[in-house]
Order: sequence, then C-alpha cells, then structure tokens
Amino acid sequence: DVKVTQSSRYLVKRTGEKVFLECVQDMDHENMFWYRQDPGLGLRLIYFSYDVKMKEKGDIPEGYSVSREKKERFSLILESASTNQTSMYLCASSLPPTGVGRETQYFGPGTRLLVL
Amino acid sequence: GDSVTQMEGPVTLSEEAFLTINCTYTATGYPSLFWYVQYPGEGLQLLLKATKADDKGSNKGFEATYRKETTSFHLEKGSVQVSDSAVYFCALSALIKAAGNKLTFGGGTRVLVKP
Repeated sequence: DVKVTQSSRYLVKRTGEKVFLECVQDMDHENMFWYRQDPGLGLRLIYFSYDVKMKEKGDIPEGYSVSREKKERFSLILESASTNQTSMYLCASSLPPTGVGRETQYFGPGTRLLVL
Repeated sequence: GDSVTQMEGPVTLSEEAFLTINCTYTATGYPSLFWYVQYPGEGLQLLLKATKADDKGSNKGFEATYRKETTSFHLEKGSVQVSDSAVYFCALSALIKAAGNKLTFGGGTRVLVKP
C-alpha cells in the first residue's frame, strides 16, 4: 500500500524561527511536492522535485526553500517563519507522467503549523 | 493559466440524499481530472479520476464524467451516508516539465451529511 508520511502532525513555532518539515515516501516515486492548504483557496503548490537534488518553484515559493538529498525524502524549510505562514502543509509524491494515470499524486496526512 | 472552480460549501444533506458538486475548469491542452476527498484530520485521498474526454471515473458510489464540451467534471453520488462527510476537491493535472506534472485545485467543498 502506498505511504507518504510527514514528520509532525502539529507544530507551534515563533516568528523568525527556522522550521523544517519532513516528508518520506516508500513508493520509490521520482516526483515529490509540497502544498499549503488554506480555507477557500484549496491547495497551492510551493515547490516540487522530480529527481534527487532537483527542485522547481511552484506558485507560491516565496519564504520557502526545499531540500531533496535522497529519493524518498523531501524537506520543506521556512527560513524565517512568519505569521502568514500559519497553514496546513501537505506533501505528495507521484511517478513521472510518462503514461496514462501515472501522474496520480499520493498525499501525506499533513502538518498543521501555527506561527506565533 | 489553469484554474478550477467548484461550488462553495458547506453542503448539508440528509442521509440517502443525492449529492452533486459542480466543478468546471480552464486549461490548455487535455488535462487529466481528479476528485480528491479529505476526511476530518486527514490528508487528501484520491477518490476518482478521468484521463480523457467522456471518461467516467467511479469509486465508492461516486461518479464523475469528463465533459470536454462544457469543461466540467461534476461529482455525483446517488445516496450519501454520514461517513461521506468530508471536504471534496476537484483538480486537474497539467504537464509542466517532461518529468513533472502539477495539480491545480479548486477551493474545496465541505459536505456534511446528517443522520
């Protein structure tokens, strides 16, 4: 069964702190994604990675960075947390879209981050 | 750019009622279309998908048909249960690089089914 895990379900941080969110998948997927979810806005793509050490900006990358040192792990970093980064963060993974249906993304349970 | 519009909730229904959640999209090319469901306190789960025009996706009694002429992918279920209470997201998948695709989501529709 497919499995995407995230290191924390809930986090509380202070403004200005450096925050690390970790995501691990056990499906040997090449592609991994970080989204944030806010009420009424759905999910918005922050960054994605289609290979180890490769990363691409999504729609809202400002204030975030990512790291992918191993295929199964994709980290989201908030360099200096701000209150407007309070949100639910969701990680996902998928195969490369080289065939019909391969682009299905599988999601982790999410990390709810509160920045005070 | 690509976009997905779905009806705002919350939608409140009685058990065994008929559920429809409207979803329309704007995209270049021919995206794949998805419905994801998020149960309270959980991440998103794929509910169903369709990869080309006139395809019908179905799962757990839910159905949606890819209508290219109306750029729609409406979700339906004939008889809902309390356990169907969740937030439902419509999404489209578009290629952004040869090796990568991107999901564009609608804002989500909260459904509450009462006994």
